[in-house]
Amino acid sequence: DVKVTQSSRYLVKRTGEKVFLECVQDMDHENMFWYRQDPGLGLRLIYFSYDVKMKEKGDIPEGYSVSREKKERFSLILESASTNQTSMYLCASSFNRGLGEKLFFGSGTQLSVL
Amino acid sequence: GQQVMQIPQYQHVQEGEDFTTYCNSSTTLSNIQWYKQRPGGHPVFLIQLVKSGEVKKQKRLTFQFGEAKKNSSLHITATQTTDVGTYFCAGNSGNTPLVFGKGTRLSVIA
Repeated sequence: DVKVTQSSRYLVKRTGEKVFLECVQDMDHENMFWYRQDPGLGLRLIYFSYDVKMKEKGDIPEGYSVSREKKERFSLILESASTNQTSMYLCASSFNRGLGEKLFFGSGTQLSVL
Repeated sequence: GQQVMQIPQYQHVQEGEDFTTYCNSSTTLSNIQWYKQRPGGHPVFLIQLVKSGEVKKQKRLTFQFGEAKKNSSLHITATQTTDVGTYFCAGNSGNTPLVFGKGTRLSVIA
């Protein structure tokens, strides 16, 4: 079974802190994604990566950056956390691109910014 | 950009009643997928539809893809408490990332 592991289930940070959310997948998937999930807003794509050292902006990249130095690891960085970044963050990976791009999700990180 | 609308946002049903959620895209899709997220859990892939007019069944769940490949539905027959959760549709065109609907949260009253 594919495993997508997110480093923390719950995280509490202060406004202005730099925050790192880590995600690791163990199935040699090419593609990795970061979403945030908020009540009533569904899943919104922050950044994605189709290859090592490659990154592309999703629908809501403002205030975030990402790093993909190794194929299995995709990190989401909040340069200066703000209260409106309090959310559930979900990492996902997939093997195919486009048609058949079945996503495997991690368990999520609930981030609270105080 | 591409948008995927999903209705209703919430649905409360008595156990044994049927349930349907609908998904509409602003553009023609190359495929549509459905995911289920249990309370406190993460989204889990259910199924993918790629052909115009396609219908697929998984036990009590029936999935349809519209003829124009712009809409889809998920129908659950005789809901059970195990069906509780949020159902998301997601679609894309070509090699673009999946765009998710906002989900339908299903509550089942025993």
